[in-house]
Amino acid sequence: QVHLVQSGAEVKQPGSSVKVSCQASGGTFRTHAVSWVRQAPGQGLEWMGGIIPFFGTPNYAQKFQGRVTITADGSTNTAYMELRSLRSEDTAVYYCASHMGDYYYYYPMDVWGLGTTVTVSS
Amino acid sequence: SYVLTQPPSVSVAPGQTARITCGGNNIGIKSVHWYQQKSGQAPELVVYDDGDRPSGIPDRFSGSNSGNTATLTISRVEAGDEADYYCQVWESSSDQPVFGGGTQMTVL
Repeated sequence: QVHLVQSGAEVKQPGSSVKVSCQASGGTFRTHAVSWVRQAPGQGLEWMGGIIPFFGTPNYAQKFQGRVTITADGSTNTAYMELRSLRSEDTAVYYCASHMGDYYYYYPMDVWGLGTTVTVSS
Repeated sequence: SYVLTQPPSVSVAPGQTARITCGGNNIGIKSVHWYQQKSGQAPELVVYDDGDRPSGIPDRFSGSNSGNTATLTISRVEAGDEADYYCQVWESSSDQPVFGGGTQMTVL
């Protein structure tokens, strides 16, 4: 089964950008969708977007359209999520998660990274 | 977009049965997945496709889905089951996952 390792915690200034990585080891990376889910302090889970590395075309939640870019590098089995124009409300834990089956977001997210804490503060 | 509604909290005594609901318009025709998130940890899939369990999840966890309500049932509740629980479906029109707001389960 795939194992997801995320990059370390970040502290960013308002207005800047952050790029979080998620490297997969074991299992199948290219054909399984990878989603990015964030959780603000004391809040619930929020789907930001995802990518199926095999196709390379990202899918973004409307809320984040224009501010987020999700990419994948098949040669290193790594997915990336970049969020721009950061504001204090973007302070959250950002998770990557792999979906169970091939090619579709329809499947549940059965493997999760440990999360990356992003703090936006001046 | 599709909205999933969960109660903010439920409380249950050890050994009893907990039921956590997830409401959505005609949710019975969708596949519902449930995640457990313990304090300070990443979410974990505990039930998928309404009532299936990933390997390693005890059979105390079960699910059902009909009409406008899906339900996660936890039998013989243990102290270690105390966590937040989230339901999730796939919205076909946008090809995107949708999460419920989460339910905090307290074991008394």
